[in-house]
Amino acid sequence: DTGVSQDPRHKITKRGQNVTFRCDPISEHNRLYWYRQTLGQGPEFLTYFQNEAQLEKSRLLSDRFSAERPKGSFSTLEIQRTEQGDSAMYLCASSSLSRGALTQYFGPGTRLLVL
Amino acid sequence: AQTVTQSQPEMSVQEAETVTLSCTYDTSESDYYLFWYKQPPSRQMILVIRQEAYKQQNATENRFSVNFQKAAKSFSLKISDSQLGDAAMYFCAYGSSYSGGGADGLTFGKGTHLIIQP
Repeated sequence: DTGVSQDPRHKITKRGQNVTFRCDPISEHNRLYWYRQTLGQGPEFLTYFQNEAQLEKSRLLSDRFSAERPKGSFSTLEIQRTEQGDSAMYLCASSSLSRGALTQYFGPGTRLLVL
Repeated sequence: AQTVTQSQPEMSVQEAETVTLSCTYDTSESDYYLFWYKQPPSRQMILVIRQEAYKQQNATENRFSVNFQKAAKSFSLKISDSQLGDAAMYFCAYGSSYSGGGADGLTFGKGTHLIIQP
């Protein structure tokens, strides 16, 4: 298996701009998760998909955030009208329900800096 | 809601010695999973070890073992024969188990920064 990949690895944007991140899970993993990690903190859960269905969203996921997984493969996370408080590492993880969904495998993350 | 507490922001150990990282959690659920993840500087999160709450036996992976005390809601990680490559942030994480199986969104602690002294 190739691992979870994320693109871009780094993004610098100006306040008010929209940004979109992509995550490619391990092939055949049907669950995909998004987390946010700020400096000195552990990751915080944002949302997750089982195949193309978005099953759970954290209260951290404001209306400016939207995630999709249109064909049950890769996923995108879009942040509209970015704010400085959105600066963080955005992590993607995937797991396989057929293998018990016990372990989430993480990607390298996308580091966002909002100026 | 579940919470995970790691009370040691930083730990230091001599190479080849043993170190234990602490983790406590709070939950009202009876069936769940616990994980330790390692995050080296500027590198991705890697699973170190996992424990299913229904299993009484403590999990072990080579030099890594856990002490799982369900009644006390404690889940510590012991690293034996510490190596320079063990230096990283270590995160304890909790995952719920639903009837459909598997953990959903994980709840993480704030992490412990492990320093290995050569």
